[in-house]
Amino acid sequence: AQKITQTQPGMFVQEKEAVTLDCTYDTSDQSYGLFWYKQPSSGEMIFLIYQGSYDEQNATEGRYSLNFQKARKSANLVISASQLGDSAMYFCAMREGHYNFNKFYFGSGTKLNVKP
Amino acid sequence: DARVTQTPRHKVTEMGQEVTMRCQPILGHNTVFWYRQTMMQGLELLAYFRNRAPLDDSGMPKDRFSAEMPDATLATLKIQPSEPRDSAVYFCASRSGVGELFFGEGSRLTVL
Repeated sequence: AQKITQTQPGMFVQEKEAVTLDCTYDTSDQSYGLFWYKQPSSGEMIFLIYQGSYDEQNATEGRYSLNFQKARKSANLVISASQLGDSAMYFCAMREGHYNFNKFYFGSGTKLNVKP
Repeated sequence: DARVTQTPRHKVTEMGQEVTMRCQPILGHNTVFWYRQTMMQGLELLAYFRNRAPLDDSGMPKDRFSAEMPDATLATLKIQPSEPRDSAVYFCASRSGVGELFFGEGSRLTVL
């Protein structure tokens, strides 16, 4: 089974609107972490936001928020007030394992296009 | 500004040649990962090290790939002999033990 599933290969959003990028995960660990990264066309991987499995509040970082639904094993990224510079690939990732043996798994990504 | 440094940024080589990619993790980070990114397979974990010891290299084709960490400031990924199917972007990432992965800018490899 896939550890991380991103079902939206591509999405369009109008500038200034909000958009939700879906991510579901599969783990039997109690302690894990969920991350979102942005990869613009230049290729670098930029960390956006983190949610720990024990965090009760949804994580927020500026215009990014993570809609964490533990029972459904979903960790959707919400980008508010989209900007043209948000056009990029977005990857959901999960860290699982113990402190001395962590592995990070990445989804296949969602390509977001922000329209002016 | 601390960052992961990868060299070379771009490499074009011919099939059968040896390729070595290098990574300098962020100072103080004790965990280093190597990922390969292709359009078809996405981001694949090749290997990772903790305190310079290899913990997992199950994602790496053993017959031609090798990864080492000769000291805390250098990780290497070697392909010998290279094949056209190895063409990809290879990312190194480091981590301090908690928190997110910090990625390098990647090494884009083209094998002709």
